[in-house]
Amino acid sequence: DTGVSQDPRHKITKRGQNVTFRCDPISEHNRLYWYRQTLGQGPEFLTYFQNEAQLEKSRLLSDRFSAERPKGSFSTLEIQRTEQGDSAMYLCASSLEVSHYEQYFGPGTRLTVT
Amino acid sequence: AQTVTQSQPEMSVQEAETVTLSCTYDTSESDYYLFWYKQPPSRQMILVIRQEAYKQQNATENRFSVNFQKAAKSFSLKISDSQLGDAAMYFCAYRSSPQGGSEKLVFGKGTKLTVNP
Repeated sequence: DTGVSQDPRHKITKRGQNVTFRCDPISEHNRLYWYRQTLGQGPEFLTYFQNEAQLEKSRLLSDRFSAERPKGSFSTLEIQRTEQGDSAMYLCASSLEVSHYEQYFGPGTRLTVT
Repeated sequence: AQTVTQSQPEMSVQEAETVTLSCTYDTSESDYYLFWYKQPPSRQMILVIRQEAYKQQNATENRFSVNFQKAAKSFSLKISDSQLGDAAMYFCAYRSSPQGGSEKLVFGKGTKLTVNP
């Protein structure tokens, strides 16, 4: 069990560019979650998957955001036409249904939009 | 919609002493889960303790315990014998029960805990 991993750990991009983040959950975890955390705030839910199905999306997830989990394993979160307001830490978590719904978090990807 | 409020942006404690972090929440649901997560500086978030709302007994994990007051919608975390490694941001979080549908965690804004040697 190597834990949840995220790549890259840091990303600096210019406004208007597209970025993609990857999350690898703990193996055999069927649930995968994305959160966004801005400075001084708690994480805010973006979306989650059960296997490859995207079951819930937050209103925070604008049309510029898209997430996929094509084979029910790793997931990607893409942000198109980035804005300065997208600067944040993007956290991924995974869980198993039988584990009392504990979500295990990855180290996050810190996005800076200049 | 559920909300979680942590009214203490910062707290400090002397090493070996006890500290209590406060959390209140608002929900119309009767069954749910509550969590305390710890986020050390530049490190990932880890679960400290979990409480199921249907359980009357307060959860305990070693030096960490909670005071769960369902009627008051209060869920405080007590850290006993504080250690330097306890220094971190602590987040209170809410989750609906499986029957509630949503699996998302709703977090408070966090409390920054400093442990003084």
